[in-house]
Amino acid sequence: DGGITQSPKYLFRKEGQNVTLSCEQNLNHDAMYWYRQDPGQGLRLIYYSQIVNDFQKGDIAEGYSVSREKKESFPLTVTSAQKNPTAFYLCASSIAGRGSYEQYFGPGTRLTVT
Amino acid sequence: ILNVEQSPQSLHVQEGDSTNFTCSFPSSNFYALHWYRWETAKSPEALFVMTLNGDEKKKGRISATLNTKEGYSYLYIKGSQPEDSATYLCASFLQAGTALIFGKGTTLSVSS
Repeated sequence: DGGITQSPKYLFRKEGQNVTLSCEQNLNHDAMYWYRQDPGQGLRLIYYSQIVNDFQKGDIAEGYSVSREKKESFPLTVTSAQKNPTAFYLCASSIAGRGSYEQYFGPGTRLTVT
Repeated sequence: ILNVEQSPQSLHVQEGDSTNFTCSFPSSNFYALHWYRWETAKSPEALFVMTLNGDEKKKGRISATLNTKEGYSYLYIKGSQPEDSATYLCASFLQAGTALIFGKGTTLSVSS
């Protein structure tokens, strides 16, 4: 089955710890994205990557880091510098190219930091 | 400021009612408009991607229109069913930007 997976579904961390969220896709998509959702907010873009070994900051990149060493994988690290890390995180992928192609989303990871 | 606005924020209808939602977006430098359906406990799924002014797309009882000159899109659901209950997200891709900009969504609840 082709698709996009995220793990874990729920993640709990203590304040001050870095945490890495996994995102894997087997759709052969060049582009991958990380979004954050907070209550009452739309999806906000954290980082995106159009090709391996390249990525760009989205609207709310501060306190986050990513890597794109493989086409299939786009892990997101939430660092201790992120002031409000508790949120629902969605990963997505698409064929690269100016927004003409639909995005496929993973099931999400709910991160709680206390 | 590049904002995508959706209205209403939430909507409750009876089974069999027809309904529609609005998405407004900056009309300058428009490139594409996406609609997604996000059901509870599932991932968002694409409904439509539209790029041309006057585009109309249909999938079953759901259809969408696009007006790029005035910067709005309508999503219509004919004869709503309980399984249509979901949050409907609109997102715009602008030439000046490099990624989709999402609205906050319209949450539809259909009672049987």
